[in-house]
Amino acid sequence: NAGVTQTPKFQVLKTGQSMTLQCAQDMNHEYMSWYRQDPGMGLRLIHYSVGAGITDQGEVPNGYNVSRSTTEDFPLRLLSAAPSQTSVYFCASSYSRGGSGNTIYFGEGSWLTVV
Amino acid sequence: GNSVTQMEGPVTLSEEAFLTINCTYTATGYPSLFWYVQYPGEGLQLLLKATKADDKGSNKGFEATYRKETTSFHLEKGSVQVSDSAVYFCALTVPGQNFVFGPGTRLSVLP
Repeated sequence: NAGVTQTPKFQVLKTGQSMTLQCAQDMNHEYMSWYRQDPGMGLRLIHYSVGAGITDQGEVPNGYNVSRSTTEDFPLRLLSAAPSQTSVYFCASSYSRGGSGNTIYFGEGSWLTVV
Repeated sequence: GNSVTQMEGPVTLSEEAFLTINCTYTATGYPSLFWYVQYPGEGLQLLLKATKADDKGSNKGFEATYRKETTSFHLEKGSVQVSDSAVYFCALTVPGQNFVFGPGTRLSVLP
């Protein structure tokens, strides 16, 4: 019963490097999303997807890229890492975007440090 | 737009004390309401939810009632334990829109 799986759990990057955070879900959810969590800032939506081939920007999309080639996978790419991207990243999924009683499920998080 | 307001905390209580974390919301349409909990080093987990007015969600001794007249969904527990120490997020969802989360309330329970 895996749910939402994120990798890696921890990563240290140098400024300017690129990397991809992987996210996969096994619940056949159409909606997937990426959040970042910073002290005092709560959860902020980076990008989301309502189905394979469809992505859209959230609240803080700059510096990040996403694609959704399959229902299961929703990777987040950091194009050129900056210290301001040091954060904890969460992937989440749900049956649909919103909806009565529609629960969103989170991965365990990826701790990223950019030096 | 849609929004959730909750007490910022931190909230510090002694074991067996009564807990209330206030949550109010603004939403277009008829939202579903949630409480999520985040333990240290982990992702958010659903604690309870309610989908219509006067519904009461409950789980692990926690309760919250959907109050449409006051647009509130306050979280309560009669007797907290040290293991309840975590960050609690109030959230809402409306069909066709992204989930909206409150800023989170950190709870520390002392033995």
